[in-house]
Amino acid sequence: QSALTQPASVSGSPGQSITISCTGTSSDVGGYYHVSWFQQHPGKAPKLMIYGVSNRPSGVSNRFSGSKSGNTASLTISGLLPEDEADYYCNSYTTSSTRVFGTGTKVTVL
Amino acid sequence: QVQLVESGGGVVQTGRSLRLSCAGSGFTFSSYGLHWVRQAPGKGLEWMAVISDDGSDKYYADSVKGRFTISRDNSKNTLYLQMSSLRAEDTALYYCAKDWPARPEIDYWGQGTLVTVSS
Repeated sequence: QSALTQPASVSGSPGQSITISCTGTSSDVGGYYHVSWFQQHPGKAPKLMIYGVSNRPSGVSNRFSGSKSGNTASLTISGLLPEDEADYYCNSYTTSSTRVFGTGTKVTVL
Repeated sequence: QVQLVESGGGVVQTGRSLRLSCAGSGFTFSSYGLHWVRQAPGKGLEWMAVISDDGSDKYYADSVKGRFTISRDNSKNTLYLQMSSLRAEDTALYYCAKDWPARPEIDYWGQGTLVTVSS
């Protein structure tokens, strides 16, 4: 049950687009369409941003989008805003019926 | 609206036990899978355990298997985490979270309860 691999940090200027990768194996990310992304601001509980690889819950900006290719899922934030500065975590269902989180990515808006 | 409220955290000595609770409201508690997730200070999220809607299926992360037990009481709308043989590395903020309807993915989270394990 190794954590999914994410870049430690990603940065971009306001208005730009950034992409965060989440790499697992065929036993998790590559094997299922149950991949989610969470945003976490300091001192706050995580918030669901994407579920089912590419679906946005009601109320989440369409600037957030998700995709998957093979064992790697990705979260793209377009039109970067200052309030997007936060930590982001991916999460996947696994063949053992467990779940696994990514290592986390700190997004900085320059 | 959906609410998940954790309780039971505190300071506990190494090797002792502690039980966390999570009270759910604003949704049909008995219809959803529920999780425990923890976050050590300054670290990332670590998934720990999930229990099915009726409590019949339970799955654990290797890091806590055999030491932690997840359970639920649907009559009380409450989720539990019994933690035993606590170690310093179990020090973390413990969150409960619920699944989407009919999907094995988390949607809502509580605010967490802090557990500090100290010698």
